[in-house]
Amino acid sequence: DADVTQTPRNRITKTGKRIMLECSQTKGHDRMYWYRQDPGLGLQLIYYSFDVKDINKGEISDGYSVSRQAQAKFSLSLESAIPNQTALYFCATSEGLEDTQYFGPGTRLTVL
Amino acid sequence: QKEVEQDPGPLSVPEGAIVSLNCTYSNSAFQYFMWYRQYSRKGPELLMYTYSSGNKEDGRFTAQVDKSSKYISLFIRDSQPSDSATYLCAMSSGGSNYKLTFGKGTLLTVNP
Repeated sequence: DADVTQTPRNRITKTGKRIMLECSQTKGHDRMYWYRQDPGLGLQLIYYSFDVKDINKGEISDGYSVSRQAQAKFSLSLESAIPNQTALYFCATSEGLEDTQYFGPGTRLTVL
Repeated sequence: QKEVEQDPGPLSVPEGAIVSLNCTYSNSAFQYFMWYRQYSRKGPELLMYTYSSGNKEDGRFTAQVDKSSKYISLFIRDSQPSDSATYLCAMSSGGSNYKLTFGKGTLLTVNP
């Protein structure tokens, strides 16, 4: 089984809808991250969490919120989706001093 | 100046060629350097990790870091069609930052 899983893998929704993307990990890592990836823009950090009680905004947090339900679960919500939030979303985990991160398979989100 | 610069390509080479992928950076505090490989519609996967300056070899892959020039490279020997992917460099300063700074990625195609 994959160490970092994301659900759903694909989602099409309409403008104004609330959407939740979920991430689960079995790696036992404390640190978890949410990124979005757009063609030509690379990976942009949305939110990150160092443990259940520690959540931090990344570069592009506007329009997004997160919840760290447990060490293994980190969810990303779009309260009112808009078309420019159409992107590939990745969850990642890390541990240790070198900051190597391990990514999930991604969620492809389309907002119409 | 962006913290990490990476030529987006695309780069197209024949099978068996030696491939050189490069990133430059501006933050002298970076000391952990990584290369990720991302296949189409998949999450990035860690390919190589290097601490500080020097070379690291793993099979057909060699990662090279020159901190004095703020320049890192990934060499692929005897390139194969299965190496066709986007390659992202990433780096961090370590400590309690626990965040990676990514390049935008280089799209590589190895033609049979």
